[in-house]
Amino acid sequence: QVQLQESGPGLVKPSQTLSLTCTVSGGSTSSGLYYWSWIRQPAGKGLEWIGHIYTSGSTNYNPSLKSRVTISLDTSKNHFSLKLSSVTAADTAVYYCAREYSSSSNWFDPWGQGTLVTVSS
Amino acid sequence: DIQMTQSPSSLSASVGDRVTITCRASQSISSYLNWYQQKPGKAPKLLIYAASTLQSAVPSRFSGSGSGTDFTLTISSLQPEDFATYYCQQTYSARTFGQGTKVEIK
Repeated sequence: QVQLQESGPGLVKPSQTLSLTCTVSGGSTSSGLYYWSWIRQPAGKGLEWIGHIYTSGSTNYNPSLKSRVTISLDTSKNHFSLKLSSVTAADTAVYYCAREYSSSSNWFDPWGQGTLVTVSS
Repeated sequence: DIQMTQSPSSLSASVGDRVTITCRASQSISSYLNWYQQKPGKAPKLLIYAASTLQSAVPSRFSGSGSGTDFTLTISSLQPEDFATYYCQQTYSARTFGQGTKVEIK
């Protein structure tokens, strides 16, 4: 059974870069069946897709965040990472990673448990 | 960008009630529509994918329908464990979620 686990600093200073890693267990990030995605959720609000990466390394990002986001994949370590630059308080959220099944229709399953990142000085 | 609009934003219902949540896309998304359930402090859980396919191990009281721009999630007989927030998501172009529908106890 595939499991995903987010890790990284829980506190980031304004203007700095947020960095998170999602470690995948019970499955391989080199599988051609999946994208590997990041999603975030500010407290009390809805879900926002950040972007995803395919096993080939190709990426797609939310246009509203594209200028600040980089997602990378390390198949040797079976993990993928998120970097979000120039953060502000508006980037404070629970950040989730998820596996996205790539088929005639795509869906996210499973999800990691999420990690809270607070942007504050 | 494709916008997803759910209605209602919240609803109150009793155990045993039939509950329907709708999701409308700002343009046609064929059947590229998924539904998730989220409980407080937990990650979302996939319920239905491709508009109407029930995810493995999800109770059959959940069902989804629709195509194009209009979609529906139905819970045929609400159970205590179903009180949660439900999100639709389109994967036709980029990925966008609806704003969520909170199902509360009446």
